[in-house]
Amino acid sequence: DSGVTQTPKHLITATGQRVTLRCSPRSGDLSVYWYQQSLDQGLQFLIQYYNGEERAKGNILERFSAQQFPDLHSELNLSSLELGDSALYFCASSPAPDRAYNEQFFGPGTRLTVL
Amino acid sequence: AQSVAQPEDQVNVAEGNPLTVKCTYSVSGNPYLFWYVQYPNRGLQFLLKYITGDNLVKGSYGFEAEFNKSQTSFHLKKPSALVSDSALYFCAVRRNTGFQKLVFGTGTRLLVSP
Repeated sequence: DSGVTQTPKHLITATGQRVTLRCSPRSGDLSVYWYQQSLDQGLQFLIQYYNGEERAKGNILERFSAQQFPDLHSELNLSSLELGDSALYFCASSPAPDRAYNEQFFGPGTRLTVL
Repeated sequence: AQSVAQPEDQVNVAEGNPLTVKCTYSVSGNPYLFWYVQYPNRGLQFLLKYITGDNLVKGSYGFEAEFNKSQTSFHLKKPSALVSDSALYFCAVRRNTGFQKLVFGTGTRLLVSP
């Protein structure tokens, strides 16, 4: 158990809908990262937050957004869902200070299925 | 830009034999290199990382990796494989200056047979 929690574990929804994925980082970690894992794209970095501020953006679509709250939990919002958004979404956290050599600790993921 | 190549989709090894999972990287400047393992229906677990210094890095569960700058490789090794080592292994690279995202390889499935 990495100490990173994600809810829900599974999510099934329809095209055009909006969903919210939730992540709680390890105790004391200030950085939260979101990743998408799919068969065709592999593991792709979406976005990073550090202590409530957006730190970096990766291959995140405009239909997707995220935020990190004062208690450091984070939410990833996915809207106007398409079939191709079906994937595993992982959250990871890492300790402060924010250093490139910090290992990241991954949650168990949320499996999103868009029908 | 950074990239990672894991040339083998799958590696098969018998229990008790040594295993190697290959990884080569491309990055401008000096790299930070990582290995993660993913078991079915689980998130990725950190195994080990190279930051600087000794080219041989020891990690969790008896795994180690050798950094070779001239060959831009960071192969994962274990002297004696266990059936429980069967999983999906990911190599990842991050540049050591400025912010750069962590870039993962496509993964190598390790299958250890009894």
